[in-house]
Amino acid sequence: SAVISQKPSRDICQRGTSLTIQCQVDSQVTMMFWYRQQPGQSLTLIATANQGSEATYESGFVIDKFPISRPNLTFSTLTVSNMSPEDSSIYLCSVEAGQGTYEQYFGPGTRLTVT
Amino acid sequence: TQLLEQSPQFLSIQEGENLTVYCNSSSVFSSLQWYRQEPGEGPVLLVTVVTGGEVKKLKRLTFQFGDARKDSSLHITAAQPGDTGLYLCAGVTTSGTYKYIFGTGTRLKVLA
Repeated sequence: SAVISQKPSRDICQRGTSLTIQCQVDSQVTMMFWYRQQPGQSLTLIATANQGSEATYESGFVIDKFPISRPNLTFSTLTVSNMSPEDSSIYLCSVEAGQGTYEQYFGPGTRLTVT
Repeated sequence: TQLLEQSPQFLSIQEGENLTVYCNSSSVFSSLQWYRQEPGEGPVLLVTVVTGGEVKKLKRLTFQFGDARKDSSLHITAAQPGDTGLYLCAGVTTSGTYKYIFGTGTRLKVLA
């Protein structure tokens, strides 16, 4: 298993500003994922971040809006840029325990409110 | 677009009752996972099924992967208030880009 922490746990931001969310893992992992979740609803994959390569974004998500860094095998950041109220959501990072294990471990999430 | 539809969407039952949650798709998945999520936390992995027809048991929870690997079910026997949460299935697709697709979710509330 893997232990994942996220910072901040929650934030309230003004529209037009940007917020960077940090994701720290207690072990080295190849694949990291960033998701968005409306409270009580399912998860939508934003992008897959592998160390040493550009993040792969899903349809509807672009790098200019959600830039991602993956500087090493234990850390990643997601920035929500030029925020609007529609960006209010829970943002979750996850890792795969081992390539091909089909086991994801999630951080506790970052609850973002944009006013 | 690959979709995983879960049913029911909401379920409120009394402690001790049995229930089944379904996860259906028209797509074939390499594997399927079930997660449970409680408010303020990330989803927690319950089980992974890989082989068509596979059945796994985790205490009072029984998971089944469909023969064609397009669907799955989660059965809970004698539900307890601690089973309350959001249940999510997730399929892994390896055709093209390797990624996880999450189901629409089932919100379960078990009343004492």
